[in-house]
Amino acid sequence: ILNVEQSPQSLHVQEGDSTNFTCSFPSSNFYALHWYRWETAKSPEALFVMTLNGDEKKKGQISATLNTKEGYSYLYIKGSQPEDSATYLCAFSGGSYIPTFGRGTSLIVHP
Amino acid sequence: NAGVTQTPKFQVLKTGQSMTLQCAQDMNHNSMYWYRQDPGMGLRLIYYSASEGTTDKGEVPNGYNVSRLNKREFSLRLESAAPSQTSVYFCASSVQGPSSGNTIYFGEGSWLTVV
Repeated sequence: ILNVEQSPQSLHVQEGDSTNFTCSFPSSNFYALHWYRWETAKSPEALFVMTLNGDEKKKGQISATLNTKEGYSYLYIKGSQPEDSATYLCAFSGGSYIPTFGRGTSLIVHP
Repeated sequence: NAGVTQTPKFQVLKTGQSMTLQCAQDMNHNSMYWYRQDPGMGLRLIYYSASEGTTDKGEVPNGYNVSRLNKREFSLRLESAAPSQTSVYFCASSVQGPSSGNTIYFGEGSWLTVV
């Protein structure tokens, strides 16, 4: 069982704030790192899949970076809106391993 | 565009009863998965099927069985439900196998309570 850690566990911000959270994962046997967005009462939806060290992905005001050598990825949200409120999950895929999910960061954006 | 469809959405079982969660995907994906989600825990893999005709245990397989009926359908069976199996269950699928790094698509979840 691989150790995929996400921090912080939860985050409350005001509308318009920028925020970021971290996913840490094993730095060996890296294959891919996924970010998912999970709204309450819905199913997780993929945001990004990153496979190369130094990858940066962007979707609207959300972006992610990847450092496979040190085993971490950051997810950034610029100018948070209430509709960004969700749990953000990361999942690590190793060469011969099943994707392992972190416990998620719960983001609440207050109007 | 249905994606991944799972049924039932809600179910209450008595301890010792059996039930099957059904899942179907219409994206022609090779791989399918069953996860469970518990408070304070991440998504934990119960079983997966990397391709039609194969199934493998995940992190928490005890108390469950699965059947990959065909390429579209992957069912999860609880033979004798226990209160510890109270959880939200997600079926999912992906184009390629679990170690390929490809995107996983999830169903909407099945809320199961065992009393």
